[in-house]
Amino acid sequence: DAKTTQPTSMDCAEGRAANLPCNHSTISGNEYVYWYRQIHSQGPQYIIHGLKNNETNEMASLIITEDRKSSTLILPHATLRDTAVYYCIVRTHSGSARQLTFGSGTQLTVLP
Amino acid sequence: DVKVTQSSRYLVKRTGEKVFLECVQDMDHENMFWYRQDPGLGLRLIYFSYDVKMKEKGDIPEGYSVSREKKERFSLILESASTNQTSMYLCASSINRANTEAFFGQGTRLTVV
Repeated sequence: DAKTTQPTSMDCAEGRAANLPCNHSTISGNEYVYWYRQIHSQGPQYIIHGLKNNETNEMASLIITEDRKSSTLILPHATLRDTAVYYCIVRTHSGSARQLTFGSGTQLTVLP
Repeated sequence: DVKVTQSSRYLVKRTGEKVFLECVQDMDHENMFWYRQDPGLGLRLIYFSYDVKMKEKGDIPEGYSVSREKKERFSLILESASTNQTSMYLCASSINRANTEAFFGQGTRLTVV
């Protein structure tokens, strides 16, 4: 699986958009970009995933650059409950199911 | 809602004890996983299973074993607990081998003294 690089930490004001970047310059053509988050003392939670096109769901939007070497997770109106560690993962949908490997992630702190 | 339930939130065990961590999911998922999470190291995969009685080693299987006798239940076993196995243990399940969306339990914080 391609490696990802994320900032260690970010702050965001409550009510503003939180934009979390992820670099995955070695991503392969069949690898998807996934985002999970982990709120303190809870298990990780799936947010969104995409291949090439931008994706949106009730939680967030995922913007993938045209060359697919980086992506941005957008939380459009951050709340205090969005304070969490956010993990960016790239993986295929084929092969072994072990391909859910988490790195260190970005600690997002939403400030009142 | 999918539920992944881990039997304990907190456990304290003595060195050398045999420890069982239980995980149950209620959505008929094929894949189940055990991870441990340590500060600065992210989540590391210990074992996973893609079917009843099937198991595969993850990245750090040493000192652990697993059991999957029923589809909904995946157990992690520490045959002889050691202090370096003090950690947060997370169980997860996903619907298919593509693992497009994994659901996690709340975690078990195990302390080995």
